[in-house]
Amino acid sequence: EVQLVESGGGLVQPGGSLRLSCSASGFTFSIYWMHWVRQAPGKGLVWVSHIKNDGSSITYADSVKGRFTISRDNAKNTLYLQMNSLRAEDTAVYYCVRGTFDIWGQGTMVTVSS
Amino acid sequence: DVVMTQSPLSLPVTLGQPASISCRSSQSLVHSDGNTYLNWFQQRPGQSPRRLIYKVSNRDSGVPDRFSGSGSGTDFTLKISRVEAEDVGVYYCMQTTHWPPWTFGQGTKVEIK
Repeated sequence: EVQLVESGGGLVQPGGSLRLSCSASGFTFSIYWMHWVRQAPGKGLVWVSHIKNDGSSITYADSVKGRFTISRDNAKNTLYLQMNSLRAEDTAVYYCVRGTFDIWGQGTMVTVSS
Repeated sequence: DVVMTQSPLSLPVTLGQPASISCRSSQSLVHSDGNTYLNWFQQRPGQSPRRLIYKVSNRDSGVPDRFSGSGSGTDFTLKISRVEAEDVGVYYCMQTTHWPPWTFGQGTKVEIK
């Protein structure tokens, strides 16, 4: 079964850091671009970041540029999102999504609050 | 950035009746390769989004044929021929032609009258 499973979410204080992970299974992870998409409580979907299959191209939404870092380990079939300098407005469910947006994980909740 | 605008934002529908959601983009979504990369997603309450339609009118595997997508250029439509109770949720259009960023519409909430 094709599956993406996120982990690493939680409660963090403003200015803090978190690292999200996304474990992929059921498909050849190394040939797919991957994305992170987030959804604030009661709000819509917002694209956050993408990474090409071999890591050679990376892009970020302006709202997270300079604070978030996307990476991947194709040997471990895992996608990461390192989130630093977190703000209240980063509070959201973070989804790991396969390249053409055809497969989504269940999401992991990140709450930034003091 | 390409702005995606959906209407209506709320759509009360009667079971068994048709429903239609409009999505407009701020610029043409025709890619230089000739394809138009416009997707539709369904997000049921408490669930992750699920892709229903890709490249304007192609249904994903397992998507009921009561869902159809149409349109071109900057104007697109998702139609549900006969709404069923399981169709309740929020529907998003999304463009993947001009990136970054990849952009979504605001979402349309479909509920049963």
